[in-house]
Amino acid sequence: SQTIHQWPATLVQPVGSPLSLECTVEGTSNPNLYWYRQAAGRGLQLLFYSVGIGQISSEVPQNLSASRPQDRQFILSSKKLLLSDSGFYLCAWSGGTGNSPLHFGNGTRLTVT
Amino acid sequence: AQSVTQLGSHVSVSEGALVLLRCNYSSSVPPYLFWYVQYPNQGLQLLLKYTTGATLVKGINGFEAEFKKSETSFHLTKPSAHMSDAAEYFCAVSDEGSTLGRLYFGRGTQLTVWP
Repeated sequence: SQTIHQWPATLVQPVGSPLSLECTVEGTSNPNLYWYRQAAGRGLQLLFYSVGIGQISSEVPQNLSASRPQDRQFILSSKKLLLSDSGFYLCAWSGGTGNSPLHFGNGTRLTVT
Repeated sequence: AQSVTQLGSHVSVSEGALVLLRCNYSSSVPPYLFWYVQYPNQGLQLLLKYTTGATLVKGINGFEAEFKKSETSFHLTKPSAHMSDAAEYFCAVSDEGSTLGRLYFGRGTQLTVWP
C-alpha cells in the first residue's frame, strides 16, 4: 500500500532563517506531488505541484520554492523565512487523473518567531 | 474554473443528532467531488468521493453524500453524530478534464458535537 511521510512534525524558526521540509511517498511510482499551506480560517492554499522529476509549478508567488530531486521526494524550501510563512504545511500525492483523490501527509506545523 | 462553497464555517450538533454539512460547487464540466476530514494537527483523510454512477455515495465512519446536479450540491450527512466526529470537514472538486488531479477546496466546516 502507498504511504506518505512528511517531516518534521513541528518546527520553530526565527525570521530570516532557512527552511527545508521534506516529503516522501512509498508504494507508487510517478505520483503527482503537492504542497499546501493551511492558515487558520483560510482553508487550504495550493503552493506548488509537480508532475515529474524536476517539474515544478507554482501557484502563488512568494519566498518559498519547491524541488523534486527524485520521483517520490518533494522538498519545500525558503532562503529567508518571514513571519507570514507560519502555518500548517501539508504534502500530498495523487495518481494524476481528475478522479484521483489526494492523499495527505500528517503535516508540519511551522512557527516563525 | 472550479470552485467550492461550504455554507457555515461552524456547525454544532448534539450527540445522536443528524449531521448535515453543506457543499455547493461550480464547474463547467461534469465534476468529481470529494469530502475530507481533518482532526487537529493531522493531515486530511478522504471520507468519500463521487466520480460517476450512483449519486448517493457512502463513505467511512457512517457518512454519506448525495450528488445533485440540478442543485450543484454535494452535501455530507450522517444520521447520528458521535463525539469522535468532531473535526473539520472539507469539500473539494475536480473534473474529468484535469490531468493534474488538482483539487479545489472549500474553506472548511468545523463540526462540534455536544454530549
